[in-house]
Amino acid sequence: DGGITQSPKYLFRKEGQNVTLSCEQNLNHDAMYWYRQDPGQGLRLIYYSQIVNDFQKGDIAEGYSVSREKKESFPLTVTSAQKNPTAFYLCASSTVRGVDSPLHFGNGTRLTVT
Amino acid sequence: QKEVEQDPGPLSVPEGAIVSLNCTYSNSAFQYFMWYRQYSRKGPELLMYTYSSGNKEDGRFTAQVDKSSKYISLFIRDSQPSDSATYLCAMSAGSRNTPLVFGKGTRLSVIA
Repeated sequence: DGGITQSPKYLFRKEGQNVTLSCEQNLNHDAMYWYRQDPGQGLRLIYYSQIVNDFQKGDIAEGYSVSREKKESFPLTVTSAQKNPTAFYLCASSTVRGVDSPLHFGNGTRLTVT
Repeated sequence: QKEVEQDPGPLSVPEGAIVSLNCTYSNSAFQYFMWYRQYSRKGPELLMYTYSSGNKEDGRFTAQVDKSSKYISLFIRDSQPSDSATYLCAMSAGSRNTPLVFGKGTRLSVIA
């Protein structure tokens, strides 16, 4: 079955440590995205990539970094510079390079930093 | 004024009720409108996708867009406990580098 795989489902880290969240898709989609979801805040865009080896900052990119070395993969690193990293992180992809297309989401990674 | 406004609820209805979920927006350039359903601890899934004004029906779900009022709605007929989820509206102007704008979501509970 085609889809987006995010791993792990739950992740725990100590404050001050960098952590990388995995996102893999086998939908052959060009565009990939990372969102953060907090209670009462909705979805906030962190980074997006429309093509391999290129990516753009979203609304809340500070304290995060990404890479897009392969079409299928778009890992997100939450650095120690992110002040409030505990959140539910969602990866998504879309068929065309424009960011207005319907998104297909993974099932998220819940990150807890203590 | 926020670009997209959506009442967070929670909204609680009895099984079989008609549910109306709504979003208002301020950007008159928006022309693509979507509704996503998100179950607890899962990613959102696309429910309805409409372009410009008008209605679209899919089974028990109907999406309405009124661009003159900058108002979109999702109706759920004969609601079921399995419809209990958070519903997010999303919209875009359709230009290449403008990301989707999401509402904050409305939490719905359908009580058996």
